Amino acid sequence: DAKTTQPPSMDCAEGRAANLPCNHSTISGNEYVYWYRQIHSQGPQYIIHGLKNNETNEMASLIITEDRKSSTLILPHATLRDTAVYYCIDVDIYQKVTFGTGTKLQVIP
Amino acid sequence: GAVVSQHPSWVICKSGTSVKIECRSLDFQATTMFWYRQFPKQSLMLMATSNEGSKATYEQGVEKDKFLINHASLTLSTLTVTSAHPEDSSFYICSARDRLGLGETQYFGPGTRLLVL
Repeated sequence: DAKTTQPPSMDCAEGRAANLPCNHSTISGNEYVYWYRQIHSQGPQYIIHGLKNNETNEMASLIITEDRKSSTLILPHATLRDTAVYYCIDVDIYQKVTFGTGTKLQVIP
Repeated sequence: GAVVSQHPSWVICKSGTSVKIECRSLDFQATTMFWYRQFPKQSLMLMATSNEGSKATYEQGVEKDKFLINHASLTLSTLTVTSAHPEDSSFYICSARDRLGLGETQYFGPGTRLLVL
């Protein structure tokens, strides 16, 4: 079973920030939190990952709570091309990835 | 960088035939590659972990004799669906981990859609 939980769906207005939450209450101290997204009929695309500190790259920002039990992916200015299923994942020491059901983000014009 | 390709992108075959899918890391070496399967409106399910030069490790419920995996080099892994049946129709996706990369980032291929008639 997936070790993360996410809301099944979210809407976001184009141009606004999209904030996607994820709970990973069973994550261990040395496991990273990864975010990927899957646009329809394509392979998942890597977005960002983090361990303890907040992270930012050209695609998104990742905010991780101090207790590491949850995180939020922020797309600062959502566009229609950001419509996808977003997966929050933790990777175990055996490098195994277990995908949950993710959050289906719909960006609305 | 970190590009993973798959070939073919889609394939239609008759029931009982075998289908080979290739997964290549184009600009990095991958000690470990992973194979996933995704049915319509469902999430990705890990099938097996493929390590270069050794036997693959299969997830529970995945038949190793039906889904043959070969990882002969640091840039190529193949998945062969033997004696394919209609219920094997699915979207097959591979991923690769950069041998020299930090962390455990996996990069995914574009997927191969298999339709068994």
